Amino acid sequence: AQRVTQPEKLLSVFKGAPVELKCNYSYSGSPELFWYVQYSRQRLQLLLRHISRESIKGFTADLNKGETSFHLKKPFAQEEDSAMYYCALSGNGNKLVFGAGTILRVKS
Amino acid sequence: DTAVSQTPKYLVTQMGNDKSIKCEQNLGHDTMYWYKQDSKKFLKIMFSYNNKELIINETVPNRFSPKSPDKAHLNLHINSLELGDSAVYFCASSRTPGTGVGYTFGSGTRLTVV
Repeated sequence: AQRVTQPEKLLSVFKGAPVELKCNYSYSGSPELFWYVQYSRQRLQLLLRHISRESIKGFTADLNKGETSFHLKKPFAQEEDSAMYYCALSGNGNKLVFGAGTILRVKS
Repeated sequence: DTAVSQTPKYLVTQMGNDKSIKCEQNLGHDTMYWYKQDSKKFLKIMFSYNNKELIINETVPNRFSPKSPDKAHLNLHINSLELGDSAVYFCASSRTPGTGVGYTFGSGTRLTVV
């Protein structure tokens, strides 16, 4: 079974503070992992995928197979980062399974 | 040009009614999906079609019936609407089934059943 856990429903940080959004997954094979972002009342957008090992808008995420984690990090939060963030996993089931999401609020 | 477009954007209707939501993509993708985002913002897949063929049908009440007239369109028809159907429904498409690469989402249809 494919499962994605995001333990924090809400993460509130001050502008300029580091951010870490946690994501743990459960999957017996080799997963593809992603972070999607949803700004207020907008569509979901792909932020990062582990395969490309890229940094988008200052965010990075490293796949840790030992800990089955794919945490999203940014060293200095900005107010425009406030949004809902979803971790997602694609296994072999022809579908993308999402975590419950974490709301990130960046306060000034 | 909007890549994945859904209509209507908002839908308010009474319990017991039948309604449809339409989705169209102009990306040339082979696979389309319907996801439901509930009041707690939890996103769950409902259906997936690949080249007009149903490949995923999660445990969704059979009041929900997807229809794909061609690979660029995936519509969702809902019969006998219930209060619990109130949610935001997102359509998405991808080049191949399952992979998160190239999933493009529509802007959502906010359905409110009163």
